[in-house]
Amino acid sequence: DAEITQSPRHKITETGRQVTLACHQTWNHNNMFWYRQDLGHGLRLIHYSYGVHDTNKGEVSDGYSVSRSNTEDLPLTLESAASSQTSVYFCASSLGRNTEAFFGQGTRLTVV
Amino acid sequence: AQKVTQAQTEISVVEKEDVTLDCVYETRDTTYYLFWYKQPPSGELVFLIRRNSFDEQNEISGRYSWNFQKSTSSFNFTITASQVVDSAVYFCALSPRLSYNQGGKLIFGQGTELSVKP
Repeated sequence: DAEITQSPRHKITETGRQVTLACHQTWNHNNMFWYRQDLGHGLRLIHYSYGVHDTNKGEVSDGYSVSRSNTEDLPLTLESAASSQTSVYFCASSLGRNTEAFFGQGTRLTVV
Repeated sequence: AQKVTQAQTEISVVEKEDVTLDCVYETRDTTYYLFWYKQPPSGELVFLIRRNSFDEQNEISGRYSWNFQKSTSSFNFTITASQVVDSAVYFCALSPRLSYNQGGKLIFGQGTELSVKP
């Protein structure tokens, strides 16, 4: 079955370190998204991509970057992790044209 | 400005009660999509429904029903005869016009945590 997977599921890192969260989907969806979930804020969009080599900033993009070198993967990089980036991160993908997004299982990141 | 408000942070009901989760949205667009997602205790996000701004018909799926009223900018979700397995956080989300044909770029409400007690 097609799916979207995130790794790792849990990570603890130190302030100032670079961290990369992986997202891989097997649906061949063009659109991929990264959200963060924080209490009281719901989910907020970090970055998104509508295809290979396309990336766009979302609502809360500062301190994050993404790259899209193929259809299946959209890794999220925290250039220099900060405690404010402690959160649960969700990757999502969608086929496009009025379709719903499918979400990965989430990655819980703690920055100490 | 685009915004989704779920004013109910937490709701607690006893099994078999009916419960309505409120969702109010703000957008200046005439074309948009609205969504509901469920997040059970295991943490994943499960898609429940998508509704476009031109379709104001209510929808029923088993014990779930949705009431979309454009006049009040609301898209409320009702669970009839609630069950313990309905305990979860429920998110309402808006897909604004500039991206509705792309899908997935969503503006989420803060979520409503529903607790159904036996």
